[in-house]
Amino acid sequence: GAVVSQHPSWVICKSGTSVKIECRSLDFQATTMFWYRQFPKQSLMLMATSNEGSKATYEQGVEKDKFLINHASLTLSTLTVTSAHPEDSSFYICSASARGSPLHFGNGTRLTVT
Amino acid sequence: EDQVTQSPEALRLQEGESSSLNCSYTVSGLRGLFWYRQDPGKGPEFLFTLYSAGEEKEKERLKATLTKKESFLHITAPKPEDSATYLCAVQPPEANSKLTFGKGITLSVRP
Repeated sequence: GAVVSQHPSWVICKSGTSVKIECRSLDFQATTMFWYRQFPKQSLMLMATSNEGSKATYEQGVEKDKFLINHASLTLSTLTVTSAHPEDSSFYICSASARGSPLHFGNGTRLTVT
Repeated sequence: EDQVTQSPEALRLQEGESSSLNCSYTVSGLRGLFWYRQDPGKGPEFLFTLYSAGEEKEKERLKATLTKKESFLHITAPKPEDSATYLCAVQPPEANSKLTFGKGITLSVRP
């Protein structure tokens, strides 16, 4: 149980375009999902907390207009990287938990902006 | 502010050579301490949750322990397939609160 699916697993896009990443909880409902970013050989950096039916809460230093988060249902949250630039290239990971259970992670999305 | 420090940064073991990974933490309150395993290019995989000092949990060759200041992940007779990065994280008491992660320990087990 507690499977989190993330799609796509990798994406290459041109500078200036937007990319959408989906995160789904497959066998449970998640009122809260978290989006992380990870640079090579670094730990997970929390970007934002996504709350179903309300606005996401962004961590300090994360541009909310650049990283758009939508949590439209209890099983789906999306992260859209708008007007992507090469410095946005990174590994993006989402996570979710069912009530009373530990956080489970998706398999991540490797974004490369050329 | 919650802080998590993991040591060593990297550890190389011979197959069968047991060792321990350390996670030291400073928190105002603790809901749980979590251990995750992360393989290259993958998301973290949940291993254990520890809730109170003195608690221990085991899974195959891994055993996690918790004190009021640190947690250890003991690896007994490791195999090459145990090679991965092991992440430790703490969660404050509030429901659905965010986890604070350490930088991870990269374990390499040579056959």
